Amino acid sequence: GENVEQHPSTLSVQEGDSAVIKCTYSDSASNYFPWYKQELGKGPQLIIDIRSNVGEKKDQRIAVTLNKTAKHFSLHITETQPEDSAVYFCAALFNAGGTSYGKLTFGQGTILTVHP
Amino acid sequence: DTEVTQTPKHLVMGMTNKKSLKCEQHMGHRAMYWYKQKAKKPPELMFVYSYEKLSINESVPSRFSPECPNSSLLNLHLHALQPEDSALYLCASSRTGRNTEAFFGQGTRLTVV
Repeated sequence: GENVEQHPSTLSVQEGDSAVIKCTYSDSASNYFPWYKQELGKGPQLIIDIRSNVGEKKDQRIAVTLNKTAKHFSLHITETQPEDSAVYFCAALFNAGGTSYGKLTFGQGTILTVHP
Repeated sequence: DTEVTQTPKHLVMGMTNKKSLKCEQHMGHRAMYWYKQKAKKPPELMFVYSYEKLSINESVPSRFSPECPNSSLLNLHLHALQPEDSALYLCASSRTGRNTEAFFGQGTRLTVV
C-alpha cells in the first residue's frame, strides 16, 4: 500500500519567516496530494492541494510543489503568522484500479509553531 | 458551503453501552468516510462509502458498525468498545472517491470507560 513520510515532525519559526514541510510517497500511481491544517480540538481543514498533472500551485501565502519523478511534494508558507501555528498533515490519494474510490494516506504530521 | 456536521461533539460511554455517531453533509458528495485519530497521530481510515455502498473496510473490528442511510448521512454504531477505542472519530466527504477534495467534520471525541 501507499506510504507517506513527512518531515520535519516539529518546526519552530519566527513570525514573518517562511516554513517548509516536505513529504515523500511510495506509490507512483498516487495522483492527488492535499495538505491539511489541524488546530487543537478541531478536524483537519483542507488548505491546498495539487494533482499529479501540475508541478506547482499557489494560494496567497501558501504554495505546494510536486516532483513526480522523485515522488515528493512540499508545502511552503511565507510571511508566517502566529495563527499559522497548528499541526499540518500531507496526504496522498491512491485510486484502486477500476473503482470509484480511493484511499487517502496521511503523513505523520508536522507541529508548526510561529513565535510572535 | 463545505460543512460536514458531526454529532455529538463529545461522548463518554461504558464498555457495555451501545451508542451511535452521526455525520451529515449537504454538498451532494457521494463518498463519505470514517477515520479514527489518536492523540498526536494522523487520521487512520476505517471505512469508505461510495455511492452509499461500503467500498472499503480497513479490517475494523465488528464492534464498529457503519451505516449509510442515504447520500447525506453516515452513522457509526458502537457496541462493546474497549478503553483503547477512545479517540477522535472523524467523518469526511468528497464529491467522489477519486482525486477530489475531502472535507472533514470537527469530530466526535469518544471516551470509553
